[in-house]
Amino acid sequence: SYELTQPPSVSVSPGNTASITCSGDKLGDKYACWYQQRPGQSPVLVIYQDDKRPSGIPERFSGSNSGNTATLTISGTQATDEADYHCQAWDSRTAVFGGGTKLTVL
Amino acid sequence: QVTLKESGPVLVKPTETLTLTCTVSGFSLSSARVGVSWIRQPPGKALEWLAHIFSNDDKSYSTSLKSRLTISKDTSKSQVLLTMTNMDPVDTATYYCAHISCSSATCTYYYMDVWGRGTTVTVSS
Repeated sequence: SYELTQPPSVSVSPGNTASITCSGDKLGDKYACWYQQRPGQSPVLVIYQDDKRPSGIPERFSGSNSGNTATLTISGTQATDEADYHCQAWDSRTAVFGGGTKLTVL
Repeated sequence: QVTLKESGPVLVKPTETLTLTCTVSGFSLSSARVGVSWIRQPPGKALEWLAHIFSNDDKSYSTSLKSRLTISKDTSKSQVLLTMTNMDPVDTATYYCAHISCSSATCTYYYMDVWGRGTTVTVSS
């Protein structure tokens, strides 16, 4: 079965750029999306189709996907961005999630 | 405004069958290129996709759980149901439903853009 791998944790200082990776076999041939999940809340879509932002998502969130790796980039990271981030892709009409990355802003 | 609300039992016993309901508003389950997914998340663990159903009744299931899952919809009630048989303590999780949008008219790519708040299910005797 298809698998997506994320680092368990990433740390960033306020105002700096955070990058969270998601790796999978030929992931660049699929579309990736990213979800933000704050503690005790349900996931919120922040990036879909590799690099598109839903309405209401700040411009500081961006995405890319090439080769075996998709990347979520948060520019000018704010304290409110501290959350778990989950990548997801479709494989043969089934959704696959990564293990999630805890972003700490300190 | 698209909203989804999950409901179901808080506690089920091992071997029992779980039935969850997702009640939607702000869209119709009969609208073209619309779907609903079910996803779960055990405490402190990753998200796991379970199944989805589209307005044309096209369905897809998690490969590992396919034998235990059934997804269906009642368009008149704006509800999507998920049943999971032979429940086990490892199935303890928060269960979410999510609205699926298509990125094109042919729906060759779709994504889960609005999620419900989730419902927590504990499996214990």
